[in-house]
Amino acid sequence: GDSVTQMEGPVTLSEEAFLTINCTYTATGYPSLFWYVQYPGEGLQLLLKATKADDKGSNKGFEATYRKETTSFHLEKGSVQVSDSAVYFCALSGSARQLTFGSGTQLTVLP
Amino acid sequence: NAGVTQTPKFQVLKTGQSMTLQCAQDMNHEYMSWYRQDPGMGLRLIHYSVGAGITDQGEVPNGYNVSRSTTEDFPLRLLSAAPSQTSVYFCASSKISMSRTDTQYFGPGTRLTVL
Repeated sequence: GDSVTQMEGPVTLSEEAFLTINCTYTATGYPSLFWYVQYPGEGLQLLLKATKADDKGSNKGFEATYRKETTSFHLEKGSVQVSDSAVYFCALSGSARQLTFGSGTQLTVLP
Repeated sequence: NAGVTQTPKFQVLKTGQSMTLQCAQDMNHEYMSWYRQDPGMGLRLIHYSVGAGITDQGEVPNGYNVSRSTTEDFPLRLLSAAPSQTSVYFCASSKISMSRTDTQYFGPGTRLTVL
């Protein structure tokens, strides 16, 4: 079945540092890929998505590129802020249209 | 639009008690779903629905019932609560299109503790 593996956390960075959170997936066919973010005490919000190979999703300075050859969708941001502290989830939507989530990565950004 | 709303925000139950978690959306979305979030395990799908009168099981359906009598509402029922059902529960909704690109919108969650 479909599965998503993402980088174990927690991740702690200083403000303005470069962020990478790794995500790889296993799926049949051509899934859509998503990054969701969960701020403390809140539900999940869509951060960005990509629907086909080589697509780049971007939002709020975050980027991720759909790499079919490496089955990856790594999340990057060039300069993180304290307000980026949250839990980040990689997810895919496969042939069954259901979302399969990774385990989440807790990011803490220190001033 | 209120989006996806969930009640209650917090609930404590004793083993064996039953209760219903409420979920409503005002976006006229066909697809609604329930997830549970446990530490280190991400979100796992419990049940989902693609329209009124249609429901199906997800990855972890045991111990939970759902029904969908209207487009707006998708309640989740715990028939006989067990400590293993202690978790945070999220409801989500989305449109259904021909692609798999539809964004799911999540409610704020219900934190359930079963003693």
